[in-house]
Amino acid sequence: GAVVSQHPSRVICKSGTSVKIECRSLDFQATTMFWYRQFPKQSLMLMATSNEGSKATYEQGVEKDKFLINHASLTLSTLTVTSAHPEDSSFYICSAWPGGHGIQYFGAGTRLSVL
Amino acid sequence: EDQVTQSPEALRLQEGESSSLNCSYTVSGLRGLFWYRQDPGKGPEFLFTLYSAGEEKEKERLKATLTKKESFLHITAPKPEDSATYLCAVQDQAGTALIFGKGTTLSVSS
Repeated sequence: GAVVSQHPSRVICKSGTSVKIECRSLDFQATTMFWYRQFPKQSLMLMATSNEGSKATYEQGVEKDKFLINHASLTLSTLTVTSAHPEDSSFYICSAWPGGHGIQYFGAGTRLSVL
Repeated sequence: EDQVTQSPEALRLQEGESSSLNCSYTVSGLRGLFWYRQDPGKGPEFLFTLYSAGEEKEKERLKATLTKKESFLHITAPKPEDSATYLCAVQDQAGTALIFGKGTTLSVSS
């Protein structure tokens, strides 16, 4: 299957710092990329949808100023957690979709721990 | 509102004991139904996509089927390496984001 690369896989940071997570589709051009958050023993919750060259669309309740998304090219999207706090600690997963009846492929996820 | 419900939440099987996982959905026009496998601490791994009622797909010990209201993931003679959480998701005609169920956590013991 198609490969989506996400890194870092794990990050530990101090409260108040910003963390950037990268998501790359390695063998196809992604019309749309998605960012999800997953809490322990729960399913994936969509945070935002991003299309190349345009502003991301955030789900209700997700602070766009805290979770900055940049989709600079058809193969790269980044999520920056600004001024991270312990409550932002979670598992963040990206996915890439080529459009149409294409399949949405997921990255391996990033475990963020904010001390 | 589009919704996906999976059952059971957890399933314990002995090696070789076949069973089925259920995914019930309501969606305003189905573009596709997807099954993923997720191992602890990893992202979801794509298994199958189904587009219309009556469609079936198979891969090794897994077989996915689709009706107008639900999908089943049949596991035949499972092995311990099949232990994982299985996620069902739908994509509607209007949107692009997947709507996930809460998943079924499968444990297969030898």
